[in-house]
Amino acid sequence: AQSVTQLDSQVPVFEEAPVELRCNYSSSVSVYLFWYVQYPNQGLQLLLKYLSGSTLVKGINGFEAEFNKSQTSFHLRKPSVHISDTAEYFCAVGRDDKIIFGKGTRLHILP
Amino acid sequence: DAGITQSPRHKVTETGTPVTLRCHQTENHRYMYWYRQDPGHGLRLIHYSYGVKDTDKGEVSDGYSVSRSKTEDFLLTLESATSSQTSVYFCAISEGNRGQGRNSPLHFGNGTRLTVT
Repeated sequence: AQSVTQLDSQVPVFEEAPVELRCNYSSSVSVYLFWYVQYPNQGLQLLLKYLSGSTLVKGINGFEAEFNKSQTSFHLRKPSVHISDTAEYFCAVGRDDKIIFGKGTRLHILP
Repeated sequence: DAGITQSPRHKVTETGTPVTLRCHQTENHRYMYWYRQDPGHGLRLIHYSYGVKDTDKGEVSDGYSVSRSKTEDFLLTLESATSSQTSVYFCAISEGNRGQGRNSPLHFGNGTRLTVT
């Protein structure tokens, strides 16, 4: 069963423009949500996480995400992107005793 | 950075040969995971482990086995490699206690690129 859906496989955006990367998850009683980033030729690193509490979560490098229970979404946003944000972004959900990843969204920054 | 070392970093092997990938950690974390990354599929969980001799299957475990005889080492074995197992393999660890695998952030190694010809 699909636990995490990333709606866009690629997102092009101009430098200094805002961006939103979309993520929807399968509903569950307990929700633990994550965003990871993978820069070219590197492993993944944690951007931010939602475990409980405030629905607006701030992460590294100016990214933030909002947990929306009614829409089962956890979209990632940044108000102004930089060329260094070029990477693949993965949404993930904690399920049973493990973390399940979406298929990823490639962020292309246009000059 | 979390102390995670994957070896080898690159490997080319022939169809039908056995292959073992190693993940070594220096963080003394109980949870260890093996994922594979393929274009269009994201990361898919192969196997995971909570501790020594405590392992379980993930979503794509067919054709793979694992062993964990020491807390710091988690081995992934392809008993008879196939071309469909050409992929990048990532090891990850997390520091949660039992039952907290779902809410403990993962720390990843740098990956092993495996090509099966």
